[in-house]
Amino acid sequence: GQNIDQPTEMTATEGAIVQINCTYQTSGFNGLFWYQQHAGEAPTFLSYNVLDGLEEKGRFSSFLSRSKGYSYLLLKELQMKDSASYLCAVMDSNYQLIWGAGTKLIIKP
Amino acid sequence: IAGITQAPTSQILAAGRRMTLRCTQDMRHNAMYWYRQDLGLGLRLIHYSNTAGTTGKGEVPDGYSVSRANTDDFPLTLASAVPSQTSVYFCASSEGTGHLTGELFFGEGSRLTVL
Repeated sequence: GQNIDQPTEMTATEGAIVQINCTYQTSGFNGLFWYQQHAGEAPTFLSYNVLDGLEEKGRFSSFLSRSKGYSYLLLKELQMKDSASYLCAVMDSNYQLIWGAGTKLIIKP
Repeated sequence: IAGITQAPTSQILAAGRRMTLRCTQDMRHNAMYWYRQDLGLGLRLIHYSNTAGTTGKGEVPDGYSVSRANTDDFPLTLASAVPSQTSVYFCASSEGTGHLTGELFFGEGSRLTVL
């Protein structure tokens, strides 16, 4: 079956760096997405990786290794507003999005 | 503000009742989707529509139906609600057809409780 794994919860300190990992096993691969979801709100798009390597967008970066079935989201200079759940999703060979359960990130002052 | 509007925001419903969740977008996106989100699980696709006039089944379609009479509206109907349909429902849209473009724009969600 298809599977996306990410840690359930992580805690980090304001101003620090945190890395959220995502591993996947899917039927084919057409890209990996990261979304941010604040409690009680809608998910919002953060990043998209389809080729191996690092994509940087401000304080957020996303990395992909297709051979390892692995991605991470790197958040730098953490701010309190970064407290949210981070959802990893993979597009399979049928262009269906398979979603992980999300990682709840808690930022402490 | 352009985007996706869902209604109602929250609803408590007796089992066996019929319920329609409304979704309207003003971005002229071709593709629209309905997901449910349950604690500890990833978003699960219920139904989707690649373009007006067409619909398709997702991962968990049983007990739900949709229609796509025009580009903007994509209502989700629970014909006879059951407690296992208690969830948060998100409507989403994307440019282009189907999942090809990837980025989804989500509505604010409809929290449904079936007693």
